[in-house]
Amino acid sequence: GAVVSQHPSWVICKSGTSVKIECRSLDFQATTMFWYRQFPKQSLMLMATSNEGSKATYEQGVEKDKFLINHASLTLSTLTVTSAHPEDSSFYICSAFKSGGPLHFGNGTRLTVT
Amino acid sequence: GESVGLHLPTLSVQEGDNSIINCAYSNSASDYFIWYKQESGKGPQFIIDIRSNMDKRQGQRVTVLLNKTVKHLSLQIAATQPGDSAVYFCAENIRGDYKLSFGAGTTVTVRA
Repeated sequence: GAVVSQHPSWVICKSGTSVKIECRSLDFQATTMFWYRQFPKQSLMLMATSNEGSKATYEQGVEKDKFLINHASLTLSTLTVTSAHPEDSSFYICSAFKSGGPLHFGNGTRLTVT
Repeated sequence: GESVGLHLPTLSVQEGDNSIINCAYSNSASDYFIWYKQESGKGPQFIIDIRSNMDKRQGQRVTVLLNKTVKHLSLQIAATQPGDSAVYFCAENIRGDYKLSFGAGTTVTVRA
């Protein structure tokens, strides 16, 4: 069954608005979660590492003020795309590491900014 | 069927045949490798992993081979089924912190 859950699975928003995406680890605690972005027919690119109780660390070229990450509990990380623009339209995927196992991914959130 | 070259984007294979998907990694310091399967509109699904102290690992219908000398990774799928049609990604971990770096991906299409 699913190990990591994402919500919503898809969202459409207007340009200039903000969108929040949730990532939950199911029946395990995840002190670290990762956020990836995937454009059509491309590979996954790591955006940031979400750390429970501390600031997220962002990969080079990812704007931390645009992609706000909050990891307030051991089972929940949220990614907020602020002032979204059409070029932010993408497939956002989170992942979490379950102790003793590989990195598991959520089913992604398809964001479309109109 | 077999994907040749490092970044062949597609592989077409007859149902029942074996598939071989190849991947090259760039960093000799990588010590953990994973194969993921991604179906359309879904997140990556774990298939099999291997650490750098091994050169082969087998799972159910799948085998991963690691050649550290040439920095090459392959995924073999036995008796390919229609449900195996998907995009397959190899991923490497360089820093030991599960920040995975993904390859370009190979689209596998299974012909009935």
